[in-house]
Amino acid sequence: NAGVTQTPKFQVLKTGQSMTLQCAQDMNHEYMSWYRQDPGMGLRLIHYSVGAGITDQGEVPNGYNVSRSTTEDFPLRLLSAAPSQTSVYFCASSQRRYSGANVLTFGAGSRLTVL
Amino acid sequence: GQQVMQIPQYQHVQEGEDFTTYCNSSTTLSNIQWYKQRPGGHPVFLIQLVKSGEVKKQKRLTFQFGEAKKNSSLHITATQTTDVGTYFCAGPNFGNEKLTFGTGTRLTIIP
Repeated sequence: NAGVTQTPKFQVLKTGQSMTLQCAQDMNHEYMSWYRQDPGMGLRLIHYSVGAGITDQGEVPNGYNVSRSTTEDFPLRLLSAAPSQTSVYFCASSQRRYSGANVLTFGAGSRLTVL
Repeated sequence: GQQVMQIPQYQHVQEGEDFTTYCNSSTTLSNIQWYKQRPGGHPVFLIQLVKSGEVKKQKRLTFQFGEAKKNSSLHITATQTTDVGTYFCAGPNFGNEKLTFGTGTRLTIIP
């Protein structure tokens, strides 16, 4: 079991470039999510998905797109990178608990710098 | 929207001293979770509290969930260098799967 795998680990972009952060999990988790982590801001939810074909916005969705074509994969797309998107991005997944008590398994993170 | 705040933001303690971080939510939580992130690492789940007034222990760590289910605390007794990291609380809204994380408390140990 690899758990939650994120690629790339590091990326440097120029303003205006686009890229996709990949996230894959092999635990058959229905729930997947993307967070960004900035100093002093904690972890902020960007987008999440409760199953294949279903996505929804989190707290800070602007500038990011997601799709969920399979249970395993949940890529995060930056359409036109901006310096404000410089951050560490974490993908996390969980089994769905209909009581709302999803316990997250995180990937190792992707550090993105936008110049 | 829901806000989850933690205090303090930073804490420096001598090895062997105790440490406490406090978590406060703007809304009532169905449960509260705690995660630990080592420097350069990713958050790792520690524990979940569900019941009002619940107290759980993991070795030197004691977790409490407030009676009103809007606050929680993590207390570490006799800190060790392995306790270094950032501790986050997180909670969903009732009927909402989205997990909102607190701002975190970064613990540094002075040997």
